[in-house]
Amino acid sequence: EAGVVQSPRYKIIEKKQPVAFWCNPISGHNTLYWYRQNLGQGPELLIRYENEEAVDDSQLPKDRFSAERLKGVDSTLKIQPAELGDSAVYLCACDSGSNEQFFGPGTRLTVL
Amino acid sequence: AQKITQTQPGMFVQEKEAVTLDCTYDTSDPSYGLFWYKQPSSGEMIFLIYQGSYDQQNATEGRYSLNFQKARKSANLVISASQLGDSAMYFCAMRGGYSSASKIIFGSGTRLSIRP
Repeated sequence: EAGVVQSPRYKIIEKKQPVAFWCNPISGHNTLYWYRQNLGQGPELLIRYENEEAVDDSQLPKDRFSAERLKGVDSTLKIQPAELGDSAVYLCACDSGSNEQFFGPGTRLTVL
Repeated sequence: AQKITQTQPGMFVQEKEAVTLDCTYDTSDPSYGLFWYKQPSSGEMIFLIYQGSYDQQNATEGRYSLNFQKARKSANLVISASQLGDSAMYFCAMRGGYSSASKIIFGSGTRLSIRP
């Protein structure tokens, strides 16, 4: 089966610009996660979806971050406007209710 | 509050030797799950092994085993017969409760380098 697909793989923008990341999870995996991974650290959860419903967005900086998962499949994470401190790798993951989460390759964001 | 601690920022091991990566955790949940992930330079997180807090046996998956010591709140990863391809970042993680409804938190990772 195909894995988790993320695009773009790399993005360089200037501060105050908007940016969007896209994720296509594994077919049939109803739970979708967005994580942010800063350099030298482990991933930190931003938001979790069960189908199209965001069930945990407590760590999402809502003043500039937004996410959506239309039809409970693909998901988009947006930052507007981006700040220097947003430079990180943004990881998408999914699971089907089992213990194993499947991660995508991530999008490396650099904000100049 | 839940917490995962990995005290080894980096390790060097000779090829074919066994290696133990340390992980301690803290939680007030009576049931929880512990995970180990591998992150090679390509960036993708790869699931390695899982241990439930009520599991009687230590989890094993091929060359990976989890040395679970509940009283000490430790969940060390043991890799037997290390290979060059094992060079990567390794993250310990924990989920409070057994269902996927609980959030997973990750440690800061250990960078493992295998010497030929």
